[in-house]
Amino acid sequence: KAGVTQTPRYLIKTRGQQVTLSCSPISGHRSVSWYQQTPGQGLQFLFEYFSETQRNKGNFPGRFSGRQFSNSRSEMNVSTLELGDSALYLCASRGINTEAFFGQGTRLTVV
Amino acid sequence: KNQVEQSPQSLIILEGKNCTLQCNYTVSPFSNLRWYKQDTGRGPVSLTIMTFSENTKSNGRYTATLDADTKQSSLHITASQLSDSASYICVVSADSNYQLIWGAGTKLIIKP
Repeated sequence: KAGVTQTPRYLIKTRGQQVTLSCSPISGHRSVSWYQQTPGQGLQFLFEYFSETQRNKGNFPGRFSGRQFSNSRSEMNVSTLELGDSALYLCASRGINTEAFFGQGTRLTVV
Repeated sequence: KNQVEQSPQSLIILEGKNCTLQCNYTVSPFSNLRWYKQDTGRGPVSLTIMTFSENTKSNGRYTATLDADTKQSSLHITASQLSDSASYICVVSADSNYQLIWGAGTKLIIKP
């Protein structure tokens, strides 16, 4: 059974650009959550999608948005990138009453 | 406000020694508590999950305890190995909204 797949693994963007990250959950999982992790910081919750609907949202500005498709794959978009957006972005998928399984993450560097 | 606090923030111990990491939470209503291990640059991996009625659960050299009355959990690592060097994160699930509340983690460094 394939795990959670995030693409790309590494990304370098310049300030002001926008970026889209992708996450394919474990087959059968309908919940996908996104997290931001900066050096020395814990995981900061961005949002969770379940069956194409945003179910929970963290305290991030509107520049951070996401969506989920009918096949449960999810994308996260960050517009007008800032230097402080440099981080490891992690995606986790969950089935009913299961633990969260994480992908390897996308390392975003904003220069 | 639902919160999870972990201590210490970081810990350095010698290989072969034991250590205990702490987690205090104020999440209500409580559903379950998980401990995750995160190697540098990788996604977290679940070590244990504990529900309200469970006091102790072991996974190899890792033993987690839960005191639902005081809202405290601990993760005890026995006979530490170099590969135990990682961040250990306590995560509490709130019953009401499916959301996971994450602690900031304890960074553990094992020295030879």
